[in-house]
Amino acid sequence: ETGVTQTPRHLVMGMTNKKSLKCEQHLGHNAMYWYKQSAKKPLELMFVYSLEERVENNSVPSRFSPECPNSSHLFLHLHTLQPEDSALYLCASSLRLEPGLLNEQFFGPGTRLTVL
Amino acid sequence: KQEVTQIPAALSVPEGENLVLNCSFTDSAIYNLQWFRQDPGKGLTSLLLIQSSQREQTSGRLNASLDKSSGRSTLYIAASQPGDSATYLCAVGTTNTGNQFYFGTGTSLTVIP
Repeated sequence: ETGVTQTPRHLVMGMTNKKSLKCEQHLGHNAMYWYKQSAKKPLELMFVYSLEERVENNSVPSRFSPECPNSSHLFLHLHTLQPEDSALYLCASSLRLEPGLLNEQFFGPGTRLTVL
Repeated sequence: KQEVTQIPAALSVPEGENLVLNCSFTDSAIYNLQWFRQDPGKGLTSLLLIQSSQREQTSGRLNASLDKSSGRSTLYIAASQPGDSATYLCAVGTTNTGNQFYFGTGTSLTVIP
């Protein structure tokens, strides 16, 4: 069982709804990541946090808003999404952010999001 | 921009066969390469991590090799089992692009009993 948990596992929302995805890691890691996985496409890195500071934001639309209140928790707040945002959203963590062995990534099970 | 390609996209083999999955990348300035497996509807499970200074890593029936100069990595699975059926993904951490990890689209493996 992975040390990274995500809730909810499945989410269906309308385009006008506001919802949040939650990620929690129990590994004592300092870096956390949000990825989007769409069918037939490579995983896309969305956001990276290191010690609760955002260090990467890969041109993600503002309808996705991340929050990292502490090094164990990561949220992705969603509002006015589009149907093309339907995907599997994966959270990951690593011990450190710096390149090398310490940034081996450990993933959560993902949240399957469907936008109607 | 780093591009990661995995061939084949799908592979079906009989149980017990040894097999090789391929991963190629366009920018050789990487600091590590990680292999994952993903079961349907689930997250990624880390299998092996190879540092740029290493040539291979082994874990049980799995062996991953890295040839930075040619931009290739292979994942060797010995004596395949039906439980090995999953999608296998490789990801590279690239030195020149900060904290980016680039993923391939994966190889879907089916091991037939």
